[in-house]
Amino acid sequence: GDSVTQMEGPVTLSEEAFLTINCTYTATGYPSLFWYVQYPGEGLQLLLKATKADDKGSNKGFEATYRKETTSFHLEKGSVQVSDSAVYFCALSGGSSGDKLTFGTGTRLAVRP
Amino acid sequence: DTAVSQTPKYLVTQMGNDKSIKCEQNLGHDTMYWYKQDSKKFLKIMFSYNNKELIINETVPNRFSPKSPDKAHLNLHINSLELGDSAVYFCATSNRAGGSDTQYFGPGTRLTVL
Repeated sequence: GDSVTQMEGPVTLSEEAFLTINCTYTATGYPSLFWYVQYPGEGLQLLLKATKADDKGSNKGFEATYRKETTSFHLEKGSVQVSDSAVYFCALSGGSSGDKLTFGTGTRLAVRP
Repeated sequence: DTAVSQTPKYLVTQMGNDKSIKCEQNLGHDTMYWYKQDSKKFLKIMFSYNNKELIINETVPNRFSPKSPDKAHLNLHINSLELGDSAVYFCATSNRAGGSDTQYFGPGTRLTVL
């Protein structure tokens, strides 16, 4: 079945540092790819998405590009803030698993002032 | 005006009890889902309904029974609660008829079984 692999956390950075969270996937067909963010004590919010190869999703300074050749969807931000501290989930839908979301294990990001 | 709401937010109960969690959405979406997030933050689909019809039913004990009384509501009833049911349960919705695969999540219900 479909699967998503994310880098293990936690990731600890200083404010204004560059962020990369790696995500790779295994899926048949042409899945859509997502990054969701979960702030402490809250539900999941969609951060960005991409629906086809070479698409770039972006939001709030975060970016991720759908790379079919490397089956990757790495999340990047040029300058993180303390308010970015959260758990980030990579996910896919639409592969062989239909419309359910298949999630990675999540990566906790902590940003120090 | 909350798009996807869940009640209760917290639920603490004894083993063996029966409890329900409710989800309501005002987005007009046609598809609703239940996900379970365990203590390690791992998220897994449990069920999904499209226009009140069950379309996804993952390997979940039959103590869990979803019910969709109308397109705006999806409830989750759990019988004979066990310690391992302790988790955060998230409801989500999507507009499949509109061609969108984006899912919108509720705030979650934290269930603690003692």
